[in-house]
Amino acid sequence: GGIITQTPKFLIGQEGQKLTLKCQQNFNHDTMYWYRQDSGKGLRLIYYSITENDLQKGDLSEGYDASREKKSSFSLTVTSAQKNEMAVFLCASSIRDNTGQLYFGEGSKLTVL
Amino acid sequence: SQLAEENSWALSVHEGESVTVNCSYKTSITALQWYRQKSGKGPAQLILIRSNEREKRNGRLRATLDTSSQSSSLSITATRCEDTAVYFCATGGGSNAKLTFGKGTKLSVKS
Repeated sequence: GGIITQTPKFLIGQEGQKLTLKCQQNFNHDTMYWYRQDSGKGLRLIYYSITENDLQKGDLSEGYDASREKKSSFSLTVTSAQKNEMAVFLCASSIRDNTGQLYFGEGSKLTVL
Repeated sequence: SQLAEENSWALSVHEGESVTVNCSYKTSITALQWYRQKSGKGPAQLILIRSNEREKRNGRLRATLDTSSQSSSLSITATRCEDTAVYFCATGGGSNAKLTFGKGTKLSVKS
């Protein structure tokens, strides 16, 4: 088995601040993802990466940057945090095969004051 | 707009009862997945059902797929309090990599 570790678990920032979330996986999976989860809106894909140094935009990439410098890690940066923003950011990984099963971390909860 | 969508926002049942969560999707698919997310945790896959399959079981869980109506259902029999969670359907993934989730159905199982 493996595990996905997201840090930090809770992140509180100020409006306009640049904030970075980190994700590590030890599955040795090729593909990694960042999703944003807002109450009542399900999961929306921000960025994904098919392999090391690859980046693909999802449906919600505006306002975010991502970085995949190693196969095991995938970082997400909120470039300018919005006041009253509150969401959970979920990192996931998968093998690149036709099962498509994603393995998720427990999430990082962002609050912007 | 969502490519996959559950048809109910919330459901509530008593322990031991059966419940069905429904999902509709908008594109042709090679497979559809069902995930469950418990409070404070990330989603976990329950069942993957491929486009050439009509039904798939996993213990007390049964998923169906109707490609003609672009819909799927997830049924849980003999529900338990620990089945309380949000249930998502998702399409895409695999070589396409991009998996799209519905908004989720919140299931409460009461004792």
